[in-house]
Amino acid sequence: EIVLTQSPGTLSLSSGERATLSCRASQSVNSNYLAWYQQKPGQAPRLVIYGTSNRASGIPDRFSGRGSGTDFTLTINRLEPEDFAVYYCQQYGTSPLTFGGGTKVEI
Amino acid sequence: EVQLVESGGGLVRPGRSLRLSCAASGFNFRAYAMTWVRQAPGKGLEWVGFIRSNPDGGTTENAASVRDRFTISRDDSKSIVYLEMNSLTTEDTAFYYCTRSAAGYADYWGQGTLVTVSS
Repeated sequence: EIVLTQSPGTLSLSSGERATLSCRASQSVNSNYLAWYQQKPGQAPRLVIYGTSNRASGIPDRFSGRGSGTDFTLTINRLEPEDFAVYYCQQYGTSPLTFGGGTKVEI
Repeated sequence: EVQLVESGGGLVRPGRSLRLSCAASGFNFRAYAMTWVRQAPGKGLEWVGFIRSNPDGGTTENAASVRDRFTISRDDSKSIVYLEMNSLTTEDTAFYYCTRSAAGYADYWGQGTLVTVSS
């Protein structure tokens, strides 16, 4: 199975700063089928990015994704208070589908 | 509005069975694959498995950790997807989320139902 390693585990930033989250795969992700999810405490996850770089409906353009092969990045420009959460990457190109361990973006 | 509502969670003894349901509304349920994802308290997300739409064969795939114990099924006439869980262990304690699969990724999530396996 494809193992996804997210780094850093925790990112401590302030509102207005840029967050750069990494997701590294143990083997190439088919067709760049890589998604990112945001999860706030006590809530279900929410889709942020799919297909490496496509923003989900309702996601502001300060969120962007890029990457290919085994290295992927989620960037959040000008952090807003509502962006502080845990972010998970997921590959859905190869079964079993797998998630990364998450990156917590905290104040 | 897409809605997914899970039910059926609760406290269950090790070795017993439980069936979760997920009622879907607000979209053409028959056309979508549906996926279950779980999250142990305080831990990360784990893919459990999915069921393809019936036009795509209605077949299922499960994670190795639940294969042979968990079965996913669907009733398109009721817009419900099920997760039948057998031989439960304490390792299965988690929030179980039902999600709509859009080409593999989960574009909508239910609020989850908690399954606690404990003696």
